[in-house]
Amino acid sequence: GAGVSQSPRYKVAKRGQDVALRCDPISGHVSLFWYQQALGQGPEFLTYFQNEAQLDKSGLPSDRFFAERPEGSVSTLKIQRTQQEDSAVYLCASRSRGTGAETQYFGPGTRLLVL
Amino acid sequence: GESVGLHLPTLSVQEGDNSIINCAYSNSASDYFIWYKQESGKGPQFIIDIRSNMDKRQGQRVTVLLNKTVKHLSLQIAATQPGDSAVYFCAENRDANTGNQFYFGTGTSLTVIP
Repeated sequence: GAGVSQSPRYKVAKRGQDVALRCDPISGHVSLFWYQQALGQGPEFLTYFQNEAQLDKSGLPSDRFFAERPEGSVSTLKIQRTQQEDSAVYLCASRSRGTGAETQYFGPGTRLLVL
Repeated sequence: GESVGLHLPTLSVQEGDNSIINCAYSNSASDYFIWYKQESGKGPQFIIDIRSNMDKRQGQRVTVLLNKTVKHLSLQIAATQPGDSAVYFCAENRDANTGNQFYFGTGTSLTVIP
């Protein structure tokens, strides 16, 4: 079966531009996570959805970051007025259940470069 | 070869040798741990997991050891192959009942020398 997919794979934005990053989780997966990964670092949690409900957004670095999952499947991470410090790889992951000790499956990531 | 986690983020081993990658976690309440492998340009790939009620778990060529007393996790790779070259991350889940947040270590870069 298909894994987690993300698009675009690469995005170059001018400072101040808005961007939208898409995640298609594994079909039927309840949980969806977004992470930010800076160069040479481990992924850092941004936000978590259980179906369409955003249950945790404590990792979003500023109010310029917004995520949604309106129908409980595809999710979009939007970054408004991008800044150079937003340059990173944005990873999406999904998990079949809502809770419990179970692994997440990651997509390939979107590499964002803000000039 | 053996790494010392955050203080030695790179590890080079000869093909065929065993590798040991270490990770120290911070929260004694963490109850679920995962090792991920990340190759350049790809997302993290699940290798093996372990729950806090276990101290050892084995997979194909990999073993994870958990020492809750000193909050230490290790990944052992047997007969390391060139395809094992990647960055390895440990991730801790601080409450598997909610399972919302996974905290990743800095990672260890493993290079296998043919």
